[in-house]
Amino acid sequence: QQPVQSPQAVILREGEDAVINCSSSKALYSVHWYRQKHGEAPVFLMILLKGGEQKGHDKISASFNEKKQQSSLYLTASQLSYSGTYFCGQKKAWRGSTLGRLYFGRGTQLTVWP
Amino acid sequence: DVKVTQSSRYLVKRTGEKVFLECVQDMDHENMFWYRQDPGLGLRLIYFSYDVKMKEKGDIPEGYSVSREKKERFSLILESASTNQTSMYLCASSFPGWQNTEAFFGQGTRLTVV
Repeated sequence: QQPVQSPQAVILREGEDAVINCSSSKALYSVHWYRQKHGEAPVFLMILLKGGEQKGHDKISASFNEKKQQSSLYLTASQLSYSGTYFCGQKKAWRGSTLGRLYFGRGTQLTVWP
Repeated sequence: DVKVTQSSRYLVKRTGEKVFLECVQDMDHENMFWYRQDPGLGLRLIYFSYDVKMKEKGDIPEGYSVSREKKERFSLILESASTNQTSMYLCASSFPGWQNTEAFFGQGTRLTVV
């Protein structure tokens, strides 16, 4: 049930860009992105809904291609504060309703060096 | 300030003990989740509850049960703790539906079974 994330780990220098991908074998209704810093709880970044939308959050943006059942998270001009583990989550309809369980991928560990 | 509170940050229990992990949220969320986080495996859904007394199994429910007697409280129960249940346990809550349904996480309980 878990979506598949790639890559597993990324190491960057400050100012470099990164892309994290998330895909699913099941139909995606929405995609969530979260970031977890070491020793802390995951924190919400953004939700993308069906319709191929793109969203932005500071210099972090994401796209959602429902036909390919893929989402990508784009981190531009990385800052030290971007370090952490990024999780994509997928919400699936349950019994035809919109209640939705939330499943997460295995995470992508991003390290930004000065 | 919205909050999901887990009763313990650290727990050490003996094999065979019955263990209760408690989670309380103050946001009037219908949905509550229990996840297990292990290195390299991401966040795996154990159980999901969409209303008081209502629950659904996630991907790894074996060895666990849950209880939701009040809307704000969701308990995870390890009926007979085993060493392979040593892990970080995260509780989360959210509204149902597809929009504005970000999940809020507790700080986690690191459980060690000896």
